[in-house]
Parts: sequence; C-alpha cells; structure tokens
Amino acid sequence: AQSVTQLDSHVSVSEGTPVLLRCNYSSSYSPSLFWYVQHPNKGLQLLLKYTSAATLVKGINGFEAEFKKSETSFHLTKPSAHMSDAAEYFCVVIPSGNTGKLIFGQGTTLQVKP
Amino acid sequence: EAGVVQSPRYKIIEKKQPVAFWCNPISGHNTLYWYLQNLGQGPELLIRYENEEAVDDSQLPKDRFSAERLKGVDSTLKIQPAELGDSAVYLCASSLDAHQETQYFGPGTRLLVL
Repeated sequence: AQSVTQLDSHVSVSEGTPVLLRCNYSSSYSPSLFWYVQHPNKGLQLLLKYTSAATLVKGINGFEAEFKKSETSFHLTKPSAHMSDAAEYFCVVIPSGNTGKLIFGQGTTLQVKP
Repeated sequence: EAGVVQSPRYKIIEKKQPVAFWCNPISGHNTLYWYLQNLGQGPELLIRYENEEAVDDSQLPKDRFSAERLKGVDSTLKIQPAELGDSAVYLCASSLDAHQETQYFGPGTRLLVL
C-alpha cells in the first residue's frame, strides 16, 4: 500500500535559519506528491506539488521540495524561516491511478523561535 | 474567489446525540470530499462525491455516519448517534473534478462529544 512517513513529529528552528522537514514515500508507481500546511484554526493550504515534471519543485512562501526517486524522499526546505511559518506541515501522496484519494502523513509541527 | 465554507466551526454535544456538518464547496467544483482528522494525525478520507454521486465511501462508518450532496453543490455529513470517539475535526475539500489533483480545504468543524 502506498503511504508517506514524516520522519519528525516536531521541528524547532530559529527565525532566519534553514528549515528541513523530511518525508519518505512508499509507492510502487510514480506517485504525485504534495506538501500542505495547516495554520491553527485555518484550512489546509497547498504549498507545492510534484507530478513527474521537474524534480525540484518550488512552492509558495519560499518553500521548495526535491523529489529523489533513489531515496524515495520528498523533503521540504526553506532557506530562512519566518515566524509566520510556524504551523503543521503534511506530506501527502496520491498513489498512481487512484484518483482523488489523498494519503496524508502524520504531520510535522514546525516551531520558529525568535 | 470564496473558499470552501463549513459550518458550524465548533460543536459540542453529548454522546448519543445526532450532529450534522455542512459544506459549501468552491463554485464550479464538481468533486467534494469529507475528511476526518483526529488530534495529532493527518486527515483521512471519509467520502468523495463527483457531482451528486458518492464514488468512494469505503472509509465511511455506515452504521452511524451518512452524507448527502443532493444537488451536486452543498453537502451534509451526519453522525447519529455520536460516540465519544467521534471527537475530531471534520474537513471538507473540493476540486474542479476528480482529475484535478489540487484539493482546496475548508477550515473544518471541530466536534467535541461529551
């Protein structure tokens, strides 16, 4: 079964330092991969998505992720954290051929310290 | 453009009582999804509609949960009777159609069953 594993449940960084949120996927086929962000009391917002085009995907708010098939990874990065980045981040997969069914990871809470 | 609207935002009920959640998707979006998000976990799909047809309800506990999307626009998710374990956030999402992988999420309804 296809799935995603977020390797850290909680990440804490200082403002202005790089962010790395790790995600590994399990899929027999070429999946579609996403990162969503969830701010408190707000809906999930799409940060970026990979759909077999360029392996380095740029998203909103300065985030980007790199698809590495050899490592089955799709880690999310940002060069410099901002206080407003504090939120819950979800790595998501749509298994190939399974229209519409998002499979979410457990989530990573990003804390940004001043 | 208005986003996905959900109401109520919060609901507190006693166990064994019925409860209903309402969702209005983005205008023109044919596909509608209901997700369940337990505390500290990623959302899980309950049901997916394409227009008024429920095309994937395999994860919906049909003994107590029901959903409808009568005119292919708004949708209602009902629980009757509610149990303590139903306390969670219920998320609604929509997409243009089943082949559009980007889903847009509402803010959710937070349910507490006492």
